[in-house]
Amino acid sequence: AQRVTQPEKLLSVFKGAPVELKCNYSYSGSPELFWYVQYSRQRLQLLLRHISRESIKGFTADLNKGETSFHLKKPFAQEEDSAMYYCALSGLGGGADGLTFGKGTHLIIQP
Amino acid sequence: DVKVTQSSRYLVKRTGEKVFLECVQDMDHENMFWYRQDPGLGLRLIYFSYDVKMKEKGDIPEGYSVSREKKERFSLILESASTNQTSMYLCATQGNTGELFFGEGSRLTVL
Repeated sequence: AQRVTQPEKLLSVFKGAPVELKCNYSYSGSPELFWYVQYSRQRLQLLLRHISRESIKGFTADLNKGETSFHLKKPFAQEEDSAMYYCALSGLGGGADGLTFGKGTHLIIQP
Repeated sequence: DVKVTQSSRYLVKRTGEKVFLECVQDMDHENMFWYRQDPGLGLRLIYFSYDVKMKEKGDIPEGYSVSREKKERFSLILESASTNQTSMYLCATQGNTGELFFGEGSRLTVL
């Protein structure tokens, strides 16, 4: 069975400090990993995916198959980064059975 | 832009009532999903559909059913609502890249 674990329910950091949201997964095959973000009163939206290997809004995430992790990082937090972040996994390369989501981490950036 | 529209943003129903939640997409996506989102539990997949009249159970289908009579419309049905079904319900479609596109959500309260 596939599983996504986000160990922190809440993460609070000061503006300008580095941010790391942890995500670990369990899957026997070759997974595809995503980070989704939900800002206050907005719909859930894709932030980034590991196959793109790109930086979005200053965030990056590297898939580490040895540690089965896909941590989300940003060197300098901004207040507008405050949101709910979900790590998600697709076990079939984005196949038709949807994504398995973690429980989410609420990121609060303090001024 | 992909548009996923959920018909009701807020609903209040009584225990035992039948509830319909509708979702319409305008991008001709084949795959559609219903999740429920609860604090501390993240997103959990209820049902999904990969074609008209096709449906598959997700992780928590009990107490729910779905209908996909047309490609663009995917309905979630609660035959007899119960208080433990009070939640935020999210509809999503899946594009060719595997990315999920979400609606704004329907917040259901069952009294």
